[in-house]
Amino acid sequence: DAGVIQSPRHEVTEMGQEVTLRCKPISGHNSLFWYRQTMMRGLELLIYFNNNVPIDDSGMPEDRFSAKMPNASFSTLKIQPSEPRDSAVYFCASSLVGGLRGGNTEAFFGQGTRLTVV
Amino acid sequence: LAKTTQPISMDSYEGQEVNITCSHNNIATNDYITWYQQFPSQGPRFIIQGYKTKVTNEVASLFIPADRKSSTLSLPRVSLSDTAVYYCLVGAGVDSSYKLIFGSGTRLLVRP
Repeated sequence: DAGVIQSPRHEVTEMGQEVTLRCKPISGHNSLFWYRQTMMRGLELLIYFNNNVPIDDSGMPEDRFSAKMPNASFSTLKIQPSEPRDSAVYFCASSLVGGLRGGNTEAFFGQGTRLTVV
Repeated sequence: LAKTTQPISMDSYEGQEVNITCSHNNIATNDYITWYQQFPSQGPRFIIQGYKTKVTNEVASLFIPADRKSSTLSLPRVSLSDTAVYYCLVGAGVDSSYKLIFGSGTRLLVRP
């Protein structure tokens, strides 16, 4: 498997524009996480899906952020309108929760999307 | 979710053993302890996981005392490439409510 695939790797956009980040989880995984990482705030969990259903979106900063998972192999994180303070690295991760292994199932992270809003 | 506390940073030299301790006083019965490693410009990577006593793999060892209120990640004979941020996570992953919450982590710097 190619691992978790995120696109684009880098995105530079102007304030006010819509930004869409994409994630393809590992095949067979049933959980998907979106994170945002900045120097000031560290690694923040934005939203978590299980079996394509959003379980917890309490980390989504505000209504400008939205995430979807239309099927098991694709998820998007959209920011509309974007603002300079949204500049960060956004990570997507997937895992198989509740599998036979039990415990905290290993999560696999993508390479991230570095977003710069100017 | 159990809150974790770890040192902000640690320094070491190549070839030394490094031990990073994490406190999790409110750990629940079903919680496992998991450590992740993050290099600059990369996503975190799973290192090791345990429930009690000791776990060892090709990368590290994890020591968990009987009361499970803390854990220690041990990296034997570190090299420059072990310079990274190490995160301790505590939680249960057996149902759909599981989510990964990362704290501030420990920034390990390995010097020549």
